[in-house]
Amino acid sequence: ETGVTQSPTHLIKTRGQQVTLRCSSQSGHNTVSWYQQALGQGPQFIFQYYREEENGRGNFPPRFSGLQFPNYSSELNVNALELDDSALYLCASSPAGGAYEQYFGPGTRLTVT
Amino acid sequence: AQSVAQPEDQVNVAEGNPLTVKCTYSVSGNPYLFWYVQYPNRGLQFLLKYITGDNLVKGSYGFEAEFNKSQTSFHLKKPSALVSDSALYFCAVRDIRGSWGKLQFGAGTQVVVTP
Repeated sequence: ETGVTQSPTHLIKTRGQQVTLRCSSQSGHNTVSWYQQALGQGPQFIFQYYREEENGRGNFPPRFSGLQFPNYSSELNVNALELDDSALYLCASSPAGGAYEQYFGPGTRLTVT
Repeated sequence: AQSVAQPEDQVNVAEGNPLTVKCTYSVSGNPYLFWYVQYPNRGLQFLLKYITGDNLVKGSYGFEAEFNKSQTSFHLKKPSALVSDSALYFCAVRDIRGSWGKLQFGAGTQVVVTP
């Protein structure tokens, strides 16, 4: 059974640029959630995708957007990068439903300079 | 709205001693509660969850947690800590009436187990 994978591992971008992060969900999981974890803080929910549609969103501006593909993999896109976007971005997958735990990938470390 | 509080930034314990990591929560409805552990430069690993039923839940690596509805707490415990338990621990809550994807995490508690 393959776990959640994310790419790239590390990324350095300049303020104002755009970035795309990728996530492959665990086998059998049809729901993907994205989180932002700033240094020294707990993960903050960005949004969730289910059946290729956004199904819940946290307090993040529209420049944070995503996609889910038919194979349940997902992308997180961030436009007009700001310095405060520097963080560890975590992807998590699960079966549909609130009682299920989410399984996290290793994360993508984004640095905005 | 849902929220989680982990009142201790760091917990220090000697190897072999009991370990407790505290968590209190606030949700408008009934909660689903989770504990995760994070090692340096790694993602989060699931330890255990409370959904319904027995208030004492057992999880991975000898960890357990007790759900207390009246005190809105879900403290993580381990009877005998190991040096390898040193890591960052997160409590998380989900309101069963909310978006099932949204986990609200606490700020985390750093556990340091000394030999």
